[in-house]
Amino acid sequence: QSVLTQPPSVSGAPGQRVTISCTGSSSNIGAGYDVHWYQQLPGTAPKLLIYGNSNRPSGVPDRFSGSKSGTSASLAITGLQAEDEADYYCQSYDSSLRGYVFGTGTKVTVL
Amino acid sequence: EVQLVESGGGLVKPGGSLRLSCAPSRFTVRNAWMSWVRQAPGKGLEWVGRIKSKTDGGTTDYAAPVKGRFTISTDDSKNTLYLQMNSLKTEDTAVYYCTTNQGNFDWFNWFDPWGQGTLVTVSS
Repeated sequence: QSVLTQPPSVSGAPGQRVTISCTGSSSNIGAGYDVHWYQQLPGTAPKLLIYGNSNRPSGVPDRFSGSKSGTSASLAITGLQAEDEADYYCQSYDSSLRGYVFGTGTKVTVL
Repeated sequence: EVQLVESGGGLVKPGGSLRLSCAPSRFTVRNAWMSWVRQAPGKGLEWVGRIKSKTDGGTTDYAAPVKGRFTISTDDSKNTLYLQMNSLKTEDTAVYYCTTNQGNFDWFNWFDPWGQGTLVTVSS
């Protein structure tokens, strides 16, 4: 089971802002390890969305932003669009498990 | 654009073995840190293991569920990454993705890019 907890689903109307939380512990996010975010469109491979807590790779719209505080991190999507419907995963490292860990995943639905 | 192409997936009986391959374009596996990540049907992502570049020692690390059963290696002459899976269990059924570790500090890595994935089904 994953050590990073995300809400199973979030939804919003087009143009709205939604946020996805990623809650960890003192052995992962709270220990200072970076958090990264991925978007997985239906039937496709994951794609890097945010790296190093808040950095966007080239080509990722600035509607996507990330932040980290304490033992949690968040992904915000502003100006929600239909094409944002996907599963989103956070990822970090856990020193107790001695390996990379992913969040439980969040399905974003555009109403 | 960098691409990773996996192959080797299929149906295998419990207790059997299978070897997955991943061939990157535009970079050599010798100089890259790479990982395998899997996704069981309808489930989330799970890191399987990684291999450091040859220049960083070529050492491997594995997640607890696969340690001792799975082995990651590279063949520089074929520029290919492998995942040898032995003693397969039904719970190993998943789409397996190869990906490249990015970032300058160990364990602070993120994964980019990703291959298209290859399905492994373990069933009798």
